[in-house]
Formats: sequence, structure tokens, C-alpha cells
Amino acid sequence: NAGVTQTPKFQVLKTGQSMTLQCAQDMNHNSMYWYRQDPGMGLRLIYYSASEGTTDKGEVPNGYNVSRLNKREFSLRLESAAPSQTSVYFCASRAGGGANTGELFFGEGSRLTVL
Amino acid sequence: AQSVTQLDSQVPVFEEAPVELRCNYSSSVSVYLFWYVQYPNQGLQLLLKYLSGSTLVKGINGFEAEFNKSQTSFHLRKPSVHISDTAEYFCAVSVRSNAGGTSYGKLTFGQGTILTVHP
Repeated sequence: NAGVTQTPKFQVLKTGQSMTLQCAQDMNHNSMYWYRQDPGMGLRLIYYSASEGTTDKGEVPNGYNVSRLNKREFSLRLESAAPSQTSVYFCASRAGGGANTGELFFGEGSRLTVL
Repeated sequence: AQSVTQLDSQVPVFEEAPVELRCNYSSSVSVYLFWYVQYPNQGLQLLLKYLSGSTLVKGINGFEAEFNKSQTSFHLRKPSVHISDTAEYFCAVSVRSNAGGTSYGKLTFGQGTILTVHP
């Protein structure tokens, strides 16, 4: 069972470079999410997609863009990376629509370092 | 808006001892409550959740949590821990569906508690 797959797992960037984190889920889930995890701060929501064709800002969207390419894939793009974006990024998916009871399924994370 | 506070950033404990990881939340509307666990270099996985009904919720790996509405708490407990329980634990909330609006399962996480079980 693949579940939620993120690529790459590790990446080092220089300030100002751009990159895209890819996420794909094979569970036919409607909703997908991008979180970042920083020490002592838990996980903070960057962007989410409630369903195919829609995206919305989360708690910390500045400096990021997303694309819900289809039902399976949800990518996160850093247009001009900054050291403050050094973090571990997690993609997650969830089956439900508006109801909030469903479990989030997480990928294994992408560790990004910006020099 | 909702917020979650995990009262201990680190909890060391010896194997076979009981443990309690504390979580308090703040919200102006009713919420659902969750505990997730993150093993080293892995993503998060669900331990348990409180949606409604009995305030004592049982989860995987022998963990349980009790919802206390008056104290806005959702503490996680295990009567006897194992070395394999060493991990980081996150408490999280989401807006209850009938509380108005559709937050589409967005979770607000606490800061995390690192549980270290010593032999």
C-alpha cells in the first residue's frame, strides 16, 4: 500500500532558487493538505485542497503556491526559496468532504534546507 | 480560531511505567479532538480521536484519552509504556461540522510532546 507518496525526500536549495514538492495519493481521497513542521511549533497548514479543482490558503501560505493537478496529485511550489522555509514538509490526504471527522493520512515528509 | 497547547515538550519515563501527555485546547465552537504519533523519520499516524459520545476514547497500541469539556482538555494516557512507544505525539483539533462553516478537515496541531521511554 503506497498511501501518500512525497518526492523528493531531501533537498538542499540556495536562497532564491525555486522548486516543487510533489505529492500523490492512491486512496481516492477528496481532500489534500500541505503542512510544514518546525521544532517546537508542531505542524502548520500551508495550503489545502478540499476537492479536485479547488485550493485555499492555510495558516502560513506566504512564499508558496500549490496546484491540485488532478484528484491524486497536489504539488507545492517555492518560487524563490528563503532560509525561513527550511523545514520538513508533509503532504496529507483525507477521504471526506465538508465533514471534519475523517483521519488524515500523511506522507513520510520532505526535508528541505535553504542555504 | 482554535488553538492547542501541549503542556510538556518532553516526557522521559521508564519502561512499564504509566504516562500521561497533557493537551488543552481553546475554541469558540465545538471541536473534534485527535492524537497523532510520529515515529522518527516518519509521517504522522492517527492514535485515536474523539468525535462524540463516551468521553473516554481508546486507540491503538494501548493508548486512551479522556475528553473533559469543562477543562477543555484531552489528555493521552497509557498504563504501561514500552520502548517502542518512544516518539513524538501531537494533539490536534478541527471544527465540528455542525458548528458552522466547512473547514474541510483542517487540523490545528499542538507543539508536540516527545516521549522517551528508557529501559
